[in-house]
Amino acid sequence: KAGVTQTPRYLIKTRGQQVTLSCSPISGHRSVSWYQQTPGQGLQFLFEYFSETQRNKGNFPGRFSGRQFSNSRSEMNVSTLELGDSALYLCASSLAVGTAQETQYFGPGTRLLVL
Amino acid sequence: DQQVKQNSPSLSVQEGRISILNCDYTNSMFDYFLWYKKYPAEGPTFLISISSIKDKNEDGRFTVFLNKSAKHLSLHIVPSQPGDSAVYFCAASSAQTGANNLFFGTGTRLTVIP
Repeated sequence: KAGVTQTPRYLIKTRGQQVTLSCSPISGHRSVSWYQQTPGQGLQFLFEYFSETQRNKGNFPGRFSGRQFSNSRSEMNVSTLELGDSALYLCASSLAVGTAQETQYFGPGTRLLVL
Repeated sequence: DQQVKQNSPSLSVQEGRISILNCDYTNSMFDYFLWYKKYPAEGPTFLISISSIKDKNEDGRFTVFLNKSAKHLSLHIVPSQPGDSAVYFCAASSAQTGANNLFFGTGTRLTVIP
């Protein structure tokens, strides 16, 4: 079974631009979560999507948004990019069978550099 | 506020010996704990997890211990192998904040010396 895939793997943008990252979850997984990893803040939860709806959200500004499609694929968008948005963006998927304890499986990440 | 802490940024162990990685947490509502391994330029790879109703879980060379009263968990790797060299993250979640909202520690870099 294929793992979580993310595209693109690397991206360079300039301040003020916007960016869209894509994630395809493991087949059969219905929940997709996004995380940001930076040297200063570590791994931080951005948001989770389930059944095309945002189910949970971390403490990030509204410039960070996402969506999920009917096939569970997800995209995240960052508008008006800032230098501090340079990070590794990780997508994770889980079965979301309704139990309180889920195991998430991560993709390889998209490395975003904002100049 | 760092709710999950890994106080040792690095650990070096001889091949064949035991590696013990430690993690502390502050939120008593956490009910599920996971360990991930991460290589550079890759996403975290799931290793092992433990529910708060247990105090030990084993999977091959990996064992996770949970001490709820101390709010402490540890990952034991026996025997350690050079391929285990990576950064290890502990993570926690709670039904209160969402099962898929993981709180991560800052990671411990394990180096296994051949």
